Amino acid sequence: AQTVTQSQPEMSVQEAETVTLSCTYDTSENNYYLFWYKQPPSRQMILVIRQEAYKQQNATENRFSVNFQKAAKSFSLKISDSQLGDTAMYFCAFILPTGNQFYFGTGTSLTVIP
Amino acid sequence: EAGVAQSPRYKIIEKRQSVAFWCNPISGHATLYWYQQILGQGPKLLIQFQNNGVVDDSQLPKDRFSAERLKGVDSTLKIQPAKLEDSAVYLCASSLEGAFQGPYEQYFGPGTRLTVT
Repeated sequence: AQTVTQSQPEMSVQEAETVTLSCTYDTSENNYYLFWYKQPPSRQMILVIRQEAYKQQNATENRFSVNFQKAAKSFSLKISDSQLGDTAMYFCAFILPTGNQFYFGTGTSLTVIP
Repeated sequence: EAGVAQSPRYKIIEKRQSVAFWCNPISGHATLYWYQQILGQGPKLLIQFQNNGVVDDSQLPKDRFSAERLKGVDSTLKIQPAKLEDSAVYLCASSLEGAFQGPYEQYFGPGTRLTVT
């Protein structure tokens, strides 16, 4: 069975500081894709960053970067220079190409404090 | 590019009543998903369509939930009769089929918040 665990239900960070959200997952498959999605209070879920499991290089997207540790099955998200607009729920997810089904974690509620 | 559209945005019904949600995916997206998101939890897949065929409906409570996707475009999700535990946000998402760039990236609609009283 595939599972995704986000062990931090809530986090806060001062504006302009850096914060890291953790995510671990479990799968016996070798090929998969990992994602971080952001869900602001308006509830529209949007993609933050994507990582292909076969790539060793960590993905980056402007202020967002990941630390992908395949052996440890860990996929953390680092947000640099936090902004008020980063306040949202963040969901870690992965998908197996064979099944096309997304597996979501329970989310981390991030609050950026002015 | 227009995003995933959903309606209504909010719905309040009494238990045992029926309700239907509508979703219009991004143009050209062959795969459509319906998720249920209970407050404080991550989205749970209810059903996945590829074009107008069902790929996965293993977590759909088929005694009360039904979904269809006519002509491989719009989709409707129906609950009949509703229970209190169905109170949740129902999210629709779509994705491209077979494209190399972000083939598994899902684009989400704004969701429909259902309250069953």
